[in-house]
Amino acid sequence: DVKVTQSSRYLVKRTGEKVFLECVQDMDHENMFWYRQDPGLGLRLIYFSYDVKMKEKGDIPEGYSVSREKKERFSLILESASTNQTSMYLCASISGQGSYGYTFGSGTRLTVV
Amino acid sequence: GNSVTQMEGPVTLSEEAFLTINCTYTATGYPSLFWYVQYPGEGLQLLLKATKADDKGSNKGFEATYRKETTSFHLEKGSVQVSDSAVYFCALSEGAQKLVFGQGTRLTINP
Repeated sequence: DVKVTQSSRYLVKRTGEKVFLECVQDMDHENMFWYRQDPGLGLRLIYFSYDVKMKEKGDIPEGYSVSREKKERFSLILESASTNQTSMYLCASISGQGSYGYTFGSGTRLTVV
Repeated sequence: GNSVTQMEGPVTLSEEAFLTINCTYTATGYPSLFWYVQYPGEGLQLLLKATKADDKGSNKGFEATYRKETTSFHLEKGSVQVSDSAVYFCALSEGAQKLVFGQGTRLTINP
């Protein structure tokens, strides 16, 4: 089975901290995505990447950055965490040809206090 | 831009009831359409998909038909079970591009 693994299920950080959320996929997928999920708002795209060292802004990139140094790993970085970034973060990947659809990780629930 | 509008929840039904969750979309091209399900404490799982007009996706008793004329992809199930309680998301994408999601519908099935 394709697996997308997010390093932490639950995370509590303080306001102003730099936060790293890690995502690793094992199916050699070219495309990787970071979404945040909030009640009543569904999933909103933060950043995505179609190749190593490539990144593109999604719908809500403010306050976030990403890193893709290796094909299997896509990291989301909160430069200076704020309470309004408390949310569920979901990583997803898909092959460049779109085969078999997207695979999602289990999510990281981040609380910023 | 592309967008998805989904029936607002929460939806509460009794076991064995008929389920419909409405989903309509706006797209500039010819997107693929998806329903994802999220069980408590888990990530999203693909429930079903359709890639072109009049396609019907089906899985676990759920069905949805890609209706280009009404730009809709409504989710249906004839007889729901308690284990179907979850949050359901309608989504669209073009190729391997980003997914655009609806806001999600929380479904609770009572025994």
